[in-house]
Amino acid sequence: SQQGEEDPQALSIQEGENATMNCSYKTSINNLQWYRQNSGRGLVHLILIRSNEREKHSGRLRVTLDTSKKSSSLLITASRAADTASYFCATDAGDSWGKLQFGAGTQVVVTP
Amino acid sequence: KAGVTQTPRYLIKTRGQQVTLSCSPISGHRSVSWYQQTPGQGLQFLFEYFSETQRNKGNFPGRFSGRQFSNSRSEMNVSTLELGDSALYLCASSLYGQGGDYGYTFGSGTRLTVV
Repeated sequence: SQQGEEDPQALSIQEGENATMNCSYKTSINNLQWYRQNSGRGLVHLILIRSNEREKHSGRLRVTLDTSKKSSSLLITASRAADTASYFCATDAGDSWGKLQFGAGTQVVVTP
Repeated sequence: KAGVTQTPRYLIKTRGQQVTLSCSPISGHRSVSWYQQTPGQGLQFLFEYFSETQRNKGNFPGRFSGRQFSNSRSEMNVSTLELGDSALYLCASSLYGQGGDYGYTFGSGTRLTVV
């Protein structure tokens, strides 16, 4: 079973626009991570935010975490065609070796 | 440094056969986790190995098994294949089996098709 939900399931935007996707989860976490997957290939780690952090930035990425609402959001600013991919949030409960609980993912299409 | 290497990239097997997939983690990483990804169930955790020991296991039948060698390379085996085992199998490596500050590094996956 999956940890939570991602919203929206799919997102279509034009280059230069911002893309925002949300993730909700069900249990307490140690950290929350975001991954990107291109066309059914491997997952690429984007950013990790710890449970005691509220916001984190990395390049064009901004992640927020609200542990009271058990939710997170990922913002990609100034999107590029190369950002076209599926984006997954994953939670690490910190009490289960090597195990991440993934959301269902958001499919993002960026058109030139 | 080299990333996580999974072999083979693609595999087609017949129902009832068995299959072995391989994963070589990043040099120095001692933990390898395995995931199954399907359109219906998404990404699901199979098991995790650290220093040749299975420390964690997901909710999969006993047909799914794995092992880890002294050089940290890991294999997973699926016996008596079923059509529903068709999936992308991903492995992830980390230093200690917790993402730390940098998350996990995933391989490109093995696409298994059971016919």
